[in-house]
Amino acid sequence: DGGITQSPKYLFRKEGQNVTLSCEQNLNHDAMYWYRQDPGQGLRLIYYSQIVNDFQKGDIAEGYSVSREKKESFPLTVTSAQKNPTAFYLCASNNNRELNQPQHFGDGTRLSIL
Amino acid sequence: RKEVEQDPGPFNVPEGATVAFNCTYSNSASQSFFWYRQDCRKEPKLLMSVYSSGNEDGRFTAQLNRASQYISLLIRDSKLSDSATYLCVVNRGGYNKLIFGAGTRLAVHP
Repeated sequence: DGGITQSPKYLFRKEGQNVTLSCEQNLNHDAMYWYRQDPGQGLRLIYYSQIVNDFQKGDIAEGYSVSREKKESFPLTVTSAQKNPTAFYLCASNNNRELNQPQHFGDGTRLSIL
Repeated sequence: RKEVEQDPGPFNVPEGATVAFNCTYSNSASQSFFWYRQDCRKEPKLLMSVYSSGNEDGRFTAQLNRASQYISLLIRDSKLSDSATYLCVVNRGGYNKLIFGAGTRLAVHP
């Protein structure tokens, strides 16, 4: 089945540690996105990538980094500079070659501080 | 002012009721509009896109009012399984970036 796979489902980070969240898609989508969701709030865009080897900062990129070396993969690293990393992280993708295309989501990673 | 605003609810309705949600957006250049559904501790899932002429999918009807910059979702004959948070989503005018409202929570009871 085509879809977006995020791993791990749950992740715990120690103080001062970098952690990497995985996102893989087999939908042949060019565009991929990372969001963060905090309780009672809407999704906020961290980084996005419209094409391989290119990515842009979203609204809350500080303390995060990404890479896009393959079309299928868009890993997110939460660095030690992100002081409040506890949240639900969602990866999405869409076909950006046409207008008005919705984004489809993976099932998310819950990150907590130890 | 938030770019996308929704009434957080919760809307508590009995089975079979009709319920309507509204959402307002601030960017007049926005071109893409969607309603997503999010169950507790799950990822958002696309419910329906919203078109200028309005569109219907079974018990769900979506309307867009560009002049007043609001979007609505009407759910008829509510089911217990409709209980979820409904997210209003708008693109950031001209860009392939979506802005998500904080969501409206619906609880359908027997």
